[in-house]
Amino acid sequence: SQTIHQWPATLVQPVGSPLSLECTVEGTSNPNLYWYRQAAGRGLQLLFYSVGIGQISSEVPQNLSASRPQDRQFILSSKKLLLSDSGFYLCAWRWAGRGYEQYFGPGTRLTVT
Amino acid sequence: GQQLNQSPQSMFIQEGEDVSMNCTSSSIFNTWLWYKQDPGEGPVLLIALYKAGELTSNGRLTAQFGITRKDSFLNISASIPSDVGIYFCAGHDSTSGTYKYIFGTGTRLKVLA
Repeated sequence: SQTIHQWPATLVQPVGSPLSLECTVEGTSNPNLYWYRQAAGRGLQLLFYSVGIGQISSEVPQNLSASRPQDRQFILSSKKLLLSDSGFYLCAWRWAGRGYEQYFGPGTRLTVT
Repeated sequence: GQQLNQSPQSMFIQEGEDVSMNCTSSSIFNTWLWYKQDPGEGPVLLIALYKAGELTSNGRLTAQFGITRKDSFLNISASIPSDVGIYFCAGHDSTSGTYKYIFGTGTRLKVLA
């Protein structure tokens, strides 16, 4: 079976500090990977998606970047956090070539102070 | 970015009642997904729909892919307290070559015991 992990689960960081959030998927190969951000009580905003190692598509110009160094690893980064970067960050995956169900990880709650 | 319209935005219902919610789009999709999100957790996939007019059930949940391909419906029968949460719809159009999903604004369900 497939499992998606995200860490850390929660993070409190000061403004101007760097960020690294990690997402890994088990039990599948060559998945499509996604990063979303969810503001409190709001919907999901797509930030980045990747269809393969080193292939990143950015959806929203912002203070964040993403990388995919390995097939099942997706990393969200920032060099200098802003207050507006606070939110709930969700990683998701889809089994490329096998239907269009998309599955989400448990999320990381980021608070920038 | 584009979002799907979900209705109602929120609802209070009595335990045991049936619930209906819908999701509408200005664009055509060939996949509809329905998710439930509990506070502080990632969305969980409930039902996936792939064919116009399709009716699919998952326990007390039943979802339908609208025949116009621009809408979808979710029904919950005999609601129980654990049905509380936010329900999101998502659409995907594989014919467009996109890897992106468009999400609804969410329906917040509260059940009165």
